[in-house]
Amino acid sequence: GENVEQHPSTLSVQEGDSAVIKCTYSDSASNYFPWYKQELGKGPQLIIDIRSNVGEKKDQRIAVTLNKTAKHFSLHITETQPEDSAVYFCAASEGNTPLVFGKGTRLSVIA
Amino acid sequence: EAQVTQNPRYLITVTGKKLTVTCSQNMNHEYMSWYRQDPGLGLRQIYYSMNVEVTDKGDVPEGYKVSRKEKRNFPLILESPSPNQTSLYFCASRDSGGPNEKLFFGSGTQLSVL
Repeated sequence: GENVEQHPSTLSVQEGDSAVIKCTYSDSASNYFPWYKQELGKGPQLIIDIRSNVGEKKDQRIAVTLNKTAKHFSLHITETQPEDSAVYFCAASEGNTPLVFGKGTRLSVIA
Repeated sequence: EAQVTQNPRYLITVTGKKLTVTCSQNMNHEYMSWYRQDPGLGLRQIYYSMNVEVTDKGDVPEGYKVSRKEKRNFPLILESPSPNQTSLYFCASRDSGGPNEKLFFGSGTQLSVL
């Protein structure tokens, strides 16, 4: 089955800097790669996703890139703000099986 | 407001005392699922349901039961809780389009089994 590795497990950045979180997956048939953000005391929320027919997707300060050959995808957050502090989860699915999540990255944005 | 509601938010119990965590969604979603979140292990799926009266095991189903008698409700049952089931639990739902659709999560239930 699918296995998703996520790095780093913790990340601290200065406010205004960029943050990058990377994930690799094992199943070459996977075609859907969402990112979820979990704020303190809340459930995860979808912030952006990408499908295998696209190499990059942007939404304001966040972007996701996908390299299908290397089987990795990354979340990029630019101009980080304190409200970006949260736990971020990547996930992968090949469409017929449930999402498999990475272990999460705790991002701290230091003002 | 579209939401997934879990109850209770916090629960402390003792080994062997049966408990139920309730989950309800108001979005008419066919798919519902339970996850547990543990430090360093991320989100792991316990059980899921594709529709009423249809349930399937996830990655870590041992020690848990679920039922789906109505579309909106998907309770998680621990018949005989043990300390290794101390965890943060999340219920989630999505539309029937398949795994490539947005999951809506509840706010979580922090369970401690003494």
